[in-house]
Amino acid sequence: AQSVTQLGSHVSVSEGALVLLRCNYSSSVPPYLFWYVQYPNQGLQLLLKYTSAATLVKGINGFEAEFKKSETSFHLTKPSAHMSDAAEYFCAVSDPWAAGNKLTFGGGTRVLVKP
Amino acid sequence: KAGVTQTPRYLIKTRGQQVTLSCSPISGHRSVSWYQQTPGQGLQFLFEYFSETQRNKGNFPGRFSGRQFSNSRSEMNVSTLELGDSALYLCASSLDLQGKTQYFGPGTRLLVL
Repeated sequence: AQSVTQLGSHVSVSEGALVLLRCNYSSSVPPYLFWYVQYPNQGLQLLLKYTSAATLVKGINGFEAEFKKSETSFHLTKPSAHMSDAAEYFCAVSDPWAAGNKLTFGGGTRVLVKP
Repeated sequence: KAGVTQTPRYLIKTRGQQVTLSCSPISGHRSVSWYQQTPGQGLQFLFEYFSETQRNKGNFPGRFSGRQFSNSRSEMNVSTLELGDSALYLCASSLDLQGKTQYFGPGTRLLVL
């Protein structure tokens, strides 16, 4: 079975500072990995995805993530936080060999951006 | 291209009632999945439909059911509602069963009183 752990349910950063959100996965096979963002009262928006190509993945809104197999991690970063980055972020994993698109999500990390 | 749409956006029901939620996937997408989001349990997979057939199912009681129509639109039904069914129900669409990338709708927020 696959699982995802997001370290830190809440993260507070200053505007202009580095955003680092941690995600570790457990999977018997190299998984596909995703980061989604959820703004209040909205659905999930795809930020970026890793599907076994380049290990450094660039996404929307200046975010990027690096797949590190040895550390079973897929941490999300953004060099400079903006007030609009305040939201909840979810890491998710899927099994590339399984039929279907089921995602297993981490618990989420809520980001607060201080002016 | 229009995104995933869900109706209604908000719903209030009482215990024991049943409810039907609707989802229209992105044009051309044939796979539709449903997720439940609650503060306590987080995001949990309910089921996935492709070509009008349920392909995957999560660990939810039989009160939760769904179906998919020939135009790929999907509905999910919850019967005999319980207070614990209060949640945000999210629908996601994918191109097919191999695409893996899911695009989510805005959700239907269900409150059970």
